[in-house]
Amino acid sequence: GIQVEQSPPDLILQEGANSTLRCNFSDSVNNLQWFHQNPWGQLINLFYIPSGTKQNGRLSATTVATERYSLLYISSSQTTDSGVYFCAVIANAGGTSYGKLTFGQGTILTVHP
Amino acid sequence: DAGVIQSPRHEVTEMGQEVTLRCKPISGHNSLFWYRQTMMRGLELLIYFNNNVPIDDSGMPEDRFSAKMPNASFSTLKIQPSEPRDSAVYFCASTFRRGLSSGANVLTFGAGSRLTVL
Repeated sequence: GIQVEQSPPDLILQEGANSTLRCNFSDSVNNLQWFHQNPWGQLINLFYIPSGTKQNGRLSATTVATERYSLLYISSSQTTDSGVYFCAVIANAGGTSYGKLTFGQGTILTVHP
Repeated sequence: DAGVIQSPRHEVTEMGQEVTLRCKPISGHNSLFWYRQTMMRGLELLIYFNNNVPIDDSGMPEDRFSAKMPNASFSTLKIQPSEPRDSAVYFCASTFRRGLSSGANVLTFGAGSRLTVL
C-alpha cells in the first residue's frame, strides 16, 4: 500500500516562531488532508488539499502532487498549536483503495510560551 | 450539527469481556470509517462503510472484531472476547461521497472511545 512519511517527527518552538511540516507519499493520490490532534485527543481537519495551495489564518498548506509531497506552514505559532499534526492520503489506485485514508505517523509539535 | 458522536468515551473492561463501541455519523454523510490509534501503530483504518454497506474490512485485526451499520445513522464496533492488546483509542469518522470512484471528501472525526482491557 501507499507509504506516508512525515518530518520532522518532533518539533519544539518558542511562541511566535514559524515552522514547516512536510509530508511525503509514495504514490499518486486523489485526496490529501492535514489534521491536528489536540492534547485532548480530538482530531480536527485543517485542510483538504490534494493539490495547490490553501490558507486559513496563520496556517497554510501546499501540495505538489506531481512530486508527491505536501507542506504545512504554521506562522506566528501559539501554545494552542501544540499537538500532533497528521497528513493523510488516499491513493489514486482502483478497487478498494478508494476511501482508505492512510495516515502518516505525525509530527509532534510543542510550542512553549 | 452535533458532529460525529461516539460512545462510550471511556471503557475499562476485563480480558474476555465483550465490548461494543457506538457511532452516530453526521446526518447526510454516507461513508463511515472506524480507525484505531495506538502508540505503536499510529492510526489504522479498520473498516469503512459506504451507504451502510461494508466496502473494505481488510484492516480488521481478527475474527474477534466485527462491525455493523444497520442504518445510515448508527454503527457499532464489537470486540468479543476482548484482550489487553486491544487497548487503544477507537475513532469513528464520516463524510459524504458521491460514489466509490470519487475520493472521499473531508473526514470529520468523533471524539474517540478510549478502551482499556485489563
